[in-house]
Amino acid sequence: SAVISQKPSRDICQRGTSLTIQCQVDSQVTMMFWYRQQPGQSLTLIATANQGSEATYESGFVIDKFPISRPNLTFSTLTVSNMSPEDSSIYLCSVRDLGGYEQYFGPGTRLTVT
Amino acid sequence: LAKTTQPISMDSYEGQEVNITCSHNNIATNDYITWYQQFPSQGPRFIIQGYKTKVTNEVASLFIPADRKSSTLSLPRVSLSDTAVYYCLVGGTQAGTALIFGKGTTLSVSS
Repeated sequence: SAVISQKPSRDICQRGTSLTIQCQVDSQVTMMFWYRQQPGQSLTLIATANQGSEATYESGFVIDKFPISRPNLTFSTLTVSNMSPEDSSIYLCSVRDLGGYEQYFGPGTRLTVT
Repeated sequence: LAKTTQPISMDSYEGQEVNITCSHNNIATNDYITWYQQFPSQGPRFIIQGYKTKVTNEVASLFIPADRKSSTLSLPRVSLSDTAVYYCLVGGTQAGTALIFGKGTTLSVSS
């Protein structure tokens, strides 16, 4: 199994600003993903964080709005840029190993944009 | 990816068995069926996975008929702490692919 921590756990931000969320895993993992969960909704995949290369974004998500870094096999960051109230959500980091069937999730970062 | 359909919500009482059924008519031959549980303010966690027939672990049982177009998650003797959202997912076991979540079933257990 993998233990995932995220920082910050929550934040309240003003519109127009940016927030960077950190994801740290206790072991090296092949795949890292970022999800968004809006209030009362299911999880939506934002992107796959690729180590050493640009992230792969899902439809509706763009790099300018959600830049992602993954400098090594245990760490990734997601930045929410130029925030608006619509970005208020829980952002979750998730990991999985190639060949593994289980995907592990971090506790999430609760973001409120005012 | 196969689309899944499951009830939006279910209610139960402590000590009862709860069965949550998920439909996945377009499941592919190499797709597995996986269930996740999410408590408020936490990320989802894996419950059980199966391909066909029946799978049982310490938490739940998963029943899959021969045509694999549906599956049923069975939670024996639920308690208040089983109140959560339960997600049925199909596929996503291929190397390099992320899980895609549907709407999930909100289970509320009362005393």
